[in-house]
Order: sequence, then structure tokens, then C-alpha cells
Amino acid sequence: DTAVSQTPKYLVTQMGNDKSIKCEQNLGHDTMYWYKQDSKKFLKIMFSYNNKELIINETVPNRFSPKSPDKAHLNLHINSLELGDSAVYFCASSQGLVVVDSRAEAFFGQGTRLTVV
Amino acid sequence: GIQVEQSPPDLILQEGANSTLRCNFSDSVNNLQWFHQNPWGQLINLFYIPSGTKQNGRLSATTVATERYSLLYISSSQTTDSGVYFCAGEETSGSRLTFGEGTQLTVNP
Repeated sequence: DTAVSQTPKYLVTQMGNDKSIKCEQNLGHDTMYWYKQDSKKFLKIMFSYNNKELIINETVPNRFSPKSPDKAHLNLHINSLELGDSAVYFCASSQGLVVVDSRAEAFFGQGTRLTVV
Repeated sequence: GIQVEQSPPDLILQEGANSTLRCNFSDSVNNLQWFHQNPWGQLINLFYIPSGTKQNGRLSATTVATERYSLLYISSSQTTDSGVYFCAGEETSGSRLTFGEGTQLTVNP
């Protein structure tokens, strides 16, 4: 009964390949996010979507393209993978967008560890 | 955007000890959360606490919104408490959580 689920959990691929990470939430939230956690464990926002619309694109290279087919799904497609893309990618969801009560609480998926070789 | 500063960056405890982790924000935040990232990498929600005090078992948290800081208390620590503790705040403009750099906690038996 996972609230935010990502697949795959691990992804090992060669430089130059294209890969996708899928994310689904069953919490009925309007807002979904992608975060990147680097080797020093720092978590940084990449994208934020609200009701399928892009709200934040945090200066992420355009090789990264999020797609939200509906408000329960936010997938991340990465073209021409580079060594520096190796990281853990987290999907999250919340009721979001200036909600100032417990509906704003964000929940995270289990992460996808991407290794580019 | 806001800056989030956590202290200490590293903490080593003996089992049974108590500890306090701190989080300072450079500006006001609408929403504030504490997370525990366990050794398997999962981000586990501990508290949603934009203001006030909450307790959950051996853990409690206090946020003083007017002074832009939050504290996480861990009492009678256990080895399973090991991992990285993150605080994160949502700016008043909304739409994202900004994370601190975390506190790496190691609890030794």
C-alpha cells in the first residue's frame, strides 16, 4: 500500500543512453516533485508539477524531461546520460502550493539510485 | 531562495544517550518537516511541524517560527536511530521544500 512508489530502485547504464524513472502516488495529491541527492547527501529540487503543469524547473539541463500524464504520475526521462548524472533521484508528492496546514506534508518515494558508467 | 542550516553536521552517541539537532532558516517558512534517512536510503517522515511542539515516542520536535529555527530531540537513542536527519522548509512562495545538509547520526551499542 505504498503512498509514493518509484521504479526502478536501481538503474545502471552506460554513458550516452536514454533512461526513464517512473513515479506514482496514491495519496490524491495535486503536487509532485523530483529531487536529486548527490554523493554528499544534499537534496535539491529539480522539478515541481501541480495538476500536471510545470511549476518549477530548477535550472536542470534540458536532457532531463519530466512528464506528467495525470496528477498521480510524474515520470523523469533523461537523455544522453553523463557520468555526473549518477545520483539518487527521489520523487515526492504533497497537497502543495501555499497550503499551510498538514496537507502540505510531503511524502517521498524510496529513491532510484542511478549509476552511469 | 531560503537557506537552511543544520547543526551539528555529525554526531556520535552511545546507545541510551539523548541529543538535540538544530535547524535554522534564513527566512520565514510556511511548512517545516523533519526526515530520517535510514541506512537503506529511505526518507522517513518524522514530523510536520511549522510551529509548536510535537512528540512521537522517543522523538520530539519544537519549532519557533518567529525566530526561524526548529529543534529535534532524540531521547534514549538506539542503534536503529542511526542515519541522516534532514530538516526542510517550504518558502512562503510555496511549491518546493528546501533541505538542510543534514546531521549524520551514529549510535554505537
